[in-house]
Amino acid sequence: AQSVTQLDSHVSVSEGTPVLLRCNYSSSYSPSLFWYVQHPNKGLQLLLKYTSAATLVKGINGFEAEFKKSETSFHLTKPSAHMSDAAEYFCVNGGGNTGKLIFGQGTTLQVKP
Amino acid sequence: EPEVTQTPSHQVTQMGQEVILRCVPISNHLYFYWYRQILGQKVEFLVSFYNNEISEKSEIFDDQFSVERPDGSNFTLKIRSTKLEDSAMYFCASTPGLAGFTDTQYFGPGTRLTVL
Repeated sequence: AQSVTQLDSHVSVSEGTPVLLRCNYSSSYSPSLFWYVQHPNKGLQLLLKYTSAATLVKGINGFEAEFKKSETSFHLTKPSAHMSDAAEYFCVNGGGNTGKLIFGQGTTLQVKP
Repeated sequence: EPEVTQTPSHQVTQMGQEVILRCVPISNHLYFYWYRQILGQKVEFLVSFYNNEISEKSEIFDDQFSVERPDGSNFTLKIRSTKLEDSAMYFCASTPGLAGFTDTQYFGPGTRLTVL
């Protein structure tokens, strides 16, 4: 069965410092993994996705994530946080034969000036 | 850039009333989905739809829910008799179908449903 666990419900960083949002997954088959971002009063926007090609995936706005099968992790990172990065981030496990996406609980990223 | 659109942005209804939430997926997309997010909780899958049929539905998607693609552009979610616990943000999503169900899903901005 598929599942996703986001290890932090809230992360606070200072502007210009690195961001790390942690995600572990479980899957009975080769997973498709995504990170989506949700800004206040906005829809869900895709940041990046992993679908068994390169294990280091680059996304929009300087974000990237590394797929580590041995650790069943797909952590999201960014070298330098910007104020506009403040949002809710969802790690998502998808694929399968019907496209059903399984969402993590979400991590709220706060960026302090 | 093409977007998924949803109307209305906010719907307020009385318990027991029927509501229809509307979505216009990206043109030429073939796979369609509804999700919901109760305030403070996870985003949950409701249903996937392809070729005018439901492909999968969750246990949430009981007989009170139905989906329809009435024409070539709209995709609707109907809740026949709303309950207080149906209050949530409802998201529509679509994919082009180039890689089947493993395509990226593009989400609309959501409809906030409030049941009083």
